[in-house]
Amino acid sequence: GENVEQHPSTLSVQEGDSAVIKCTYSDSASNYFPWYKQELGKRPQLIIDIRSNVGEKKDQRIAVTLNKTAKHFSLHITETQPEDSAVYFCAAKKGPNDYKLSFGAGTTVTVRA
Amino acid sequence: DSGVTQTPKHLITATGQRVTLRCSPRSGDLSVYWYQQSLDQGLQFLIQYYNGEERAKGNILERFSAQQFPDLHSELNLSSLELGDSALYFCASSVRDGLYGYTFGSGTRLTVV
Repeated sequence: GENVEQHPSTLSVQEGDSAVIKCTYSDSASNYFPWYKQELGKRPQLIIDIRSNVGEKKDQRIAVTLNKTAKHFSLHITETQPEDSAVYFCAAKKGPNDYKLSFGAGTTVTVRA
Repeated sequence: DSGVTQTPKHLITATGQRVTLRCSPRSGDLSVYWYQQSLDQGLQFLIQYYNGEERAKGNILERFSAQQFPDLHSELNLSSLELGDSALYFCASSVRDGLYGYTFGSGTRLTVV
């Protein structure tokens, strides 16, 4: 099955600075890469996703980049705010006949005021 | 409200007991996924159903079973419970191919005492 590795496991940044989380995947057939944000005690929520035919996608202060050759993708958060503090999970999905997502282990992001 | 409904929200039970967790997917979603999240752990895939049929199985213990009913709601049955089964159990749903990601329910927090 797909193996997704996520780094770092914890990340502390000063408010206003940028945060970057990196993930690698093992299966070159993977074609969909979502990112989820989970606040303490709450459900994971989709914040951004990217498909294998796109190299970069932005949504306000967050962006995701994908390098298919190297099989890695990254989440970038700019101008971090205290409300960005949460656990972030990357995930990968294989081709059209495999619906399940394989998740990374998560990154706990703390934004210091 | 994500549209995915999980009941109950909290469950406290004794070791050796059996419980049933229920999930109603978002309207129109045919796939249901179950994930286990232990304390400070990531999202461990348990099982997936698509339109009533089992589609994929993860690291689900033999003591655990699930099914999806004709109305598409799903139940996860956990039996002979152990202390280590204490966790947050999430249900998620997606459209057929999952290319728009999952929508997670709010989870059921199971505590085994």
